[in-house]
Amino acid sequence: ETGVTQSPTHLIKTRGQQVTLRCSSQSGHNTVSWYQQALGQGPQFIFQYYREEENGRGNFPPRFSGLQFPNYSSELNVNALELDDSALYLCASSSDREGNEKLFFGSGTQLSVL
Amino acid sequence: DAKTTQPPSMDCAEGRAANLPCNHSTISGNEYVYWYRQIHSQGPQYIIHGLKNNETNEMASLIITEDRKSSTLILPHATLRDTAVYYCINAGNNRKLIWGLGTSLAVNP
Repeated sequence: ETGVTQSPTHLIKTRGQQVTLRCSSQSGHNTVSWYQQALGQGPQFIFQYYREEENGRGNFPPRFSGLQFPNYSSELNVNALELDDSALYLCASSSDREGNEKLFFGSGTQLSVL
Repeated sequence: DAKTTQPPSMDCAEGRAANLPCNHSTISGNEYVYWYRQIHSQGPQYIIHGLKNNETNEMASLIITEDRKSSTLILPHATLRDTAVYYCINAGNNRKLIWGLGTSLAVNP
């Protein structure tokens, strides 16, 4: 158990809809990263938030957006869902006080777009 | 694209050492070698990381060659619960980890 919790665990949406995924970071961690993992692939970096500011972004379109709150929890929002957005979405937290070497992952949200 | 190369799959007998290789010939001087593993249907789990010295913790040992172009993760006494996909990643920090396909390790009884 890492102390990182994600909700919901599973979600089914239809093409064109919008979705919000949530992540609570481990106590004491101020950095949250989001990854997308398609079936049979490694995780792909979406973006990272540090102290409520975006701190790096991967090759994802603007319809993928995020927020980090003062308690360091985070949301991932995806607009205009496409079939290819079906994937496991992973949240990871870390702390700059620990040198940022380790990411602590949640169990993910499995999103299916029909 | 991932900057590391790993064999797609490996087998290991329970109780024996599992040695997982990784090639990272283009690693930069300030990049670390990170190892994570992912057990089916779970999020990845941090195992170990190093810059140029060999490292050991309660989970595994990491051996990095002197030229830093390759490394080996060693699980000294593999158990069935070590069956997972193991990822080797190079990065200067954890801001943007680029993951490949990893090595699927099967530990057999």
